[in-house]
Amino acid sequence: DAGVTQSPTHLIKTRGQQVTLRCSPISGHKSVSWYQQVLGQGPQFIFQYYEKEERGRGNFPDRFSARQFPNYSSELNVNALLLGDSALYLCASSSRQGATTDTQYFGPGTRLTVL
Amino acid sequence: AQSVTQLGSHVSVSEGALVLLRCNYSSSVPPYLFWYVQYPNQGLQLLLKYTTGATLVKGINGFEAEFKKSETSFHLTKPSAHMSDAAEYFCAVSGDAGMRFGAGTRLTVKP
Repeated sequence: DAGVTQSPTHLIKTRGQQVTLRCSPISGHKSVSWYQQVLGQGPQFIFQYYEKEERGRGNFPDRFSARQFPNYSSELNVNALLLGDSALYLCASSSRQGATTDTQYFGPGTRLTVL
Repeated sequence: AQSVTQLGSHVSVSEGALVLLRCNYSSSVPPYLFWYVQYPNQGLQLLLKYTTGATLVKGINGFEAEFKKSETSFHLTKPSAHMSDAAEYFCAVSGDAGMRFGAGTRLTVKP
């Protein structure tokens, strides 16, 4: 079975632009979470979606938004890009709503560079 | 709110030596704790997790971790390091809003 997939692998944008990152969860998984990993740091939670509804949100500005589709894939959108948005964006899927006991499986990430 | 602290941003061991990566947690409720490994330019791979029950948890690639409530610790160990163990290791705790990760420990294995 395929794992979590993300696209694109790498992305270069300039300040002020908008970007959309995509994620497909493991088949059968209904929950998708997004994380930002700045170089040299641990991942920071951005969003969790379950059954197309937002179930959790981290401490990120409103420039960050996401959605989940009926097939459980997800998109992360970032508007008005700042240099500080440069990071590895990780998507994780799990079969149930919460991460309390359920394991999150991570994709390879999308490396975003903002110039 | 739950959090984890990883002690030591860099750990270097010789091949065949014991690996010990330290993680302490803070949680007002019984925590669910995880260790993930990240190889260069890759995502995170789950090594092991603790939810309830046995406090000694065995994971993949010969790693194990022991949950010690009295010490609020969840240290990761491996009896004998292999060159392929060189990577970044993250301790994490499940929170009310996503998982909270430590800053990571980079493990270097010397031949």
